[in-house]
Amino acid sequence: DTGVSQNPRHKITKRGQNVTFRCDPISEHNRLYWYRQTLGQGPEFLTYFQNEAQLEKSRLLSDRFSAERPKGSFSTLEIQRTEQGDSAMYLCASGRRTISGANVLTFGAGSRLTVL
Amino acid sequence: AQSVTQLDSHVSVSEGTPVLLRCNYSSSYSPSLFWYVQHPNKGLQLLLKYTSAATLVKGINGFEAEFKKSETSFHLTKPSAHMSDAAEYFCVVSVPLSGGGADGLTFGKGTHLIIQP
Repeated sequence: DTGVSQNPRHKITKRGQNVTFRCDPISEHNRLYWYRQTLGQGPEFLTYFQNEAQLEKSRLLSDRFSAERPKGSFSTLEIQRTEQGDSAMYLCASGRRTISGANVLTFGAGSRLTVL
Repeated sequence: AQSVTQLDSHVSVSEGTPVLLRCNYSSSYSPSLFWYVQHPNKGLQLLLKYTSAATLVKGINGFEAEFKKSETSFHLTKPSAHMSDAAEYFCVVSVPLSGGGADGLTFGKGTHLIIQP
């Protein structure tokens, strides 16, 4: 099973430090999404790539956040100068459009960030 | 704007009894709707999807959902609950992204399903 892989699974850091998460999508998917999920809430959209182009960013993505997908394959999400409010599960998903037209996303297990 | 409302934050049922998780949606056009399940320490898994074909949609693990346009609902049901069904369930609507050519997903807040032995 070559599903969506995310690393690291857990990251504990001190406030003010930088962290980077990596996502390896399903190889034949050209669409890649990042979501953030806080405790007791549903995932919230952060950003979207089609191949290497970042086509949409949520207002949730402050200027401390940057995402890249340099070769249209894996993606990284970097958070600079972390704050306690950044503590969350960061989810990556890759997608394809089905014959019926639905945008079906496959999610990774997530990277849990704890900022002390 | 597209949104979903999950009417119950927690649902508790006994093993072997029916499950009903309620979801209402708001959309300015015919939506694509999904149910995802999230088990602890595992990724979100697609249970089923509605894409304007049959209004009764069958998914994995015996779950199904019925799209009712007149009620703007997409409730998830299962005839007989199993202990392994205990998880968080999310109702999801597809929303267009301004970047063009693709959709994102808007999630409800989730319903925590508890199965009593």
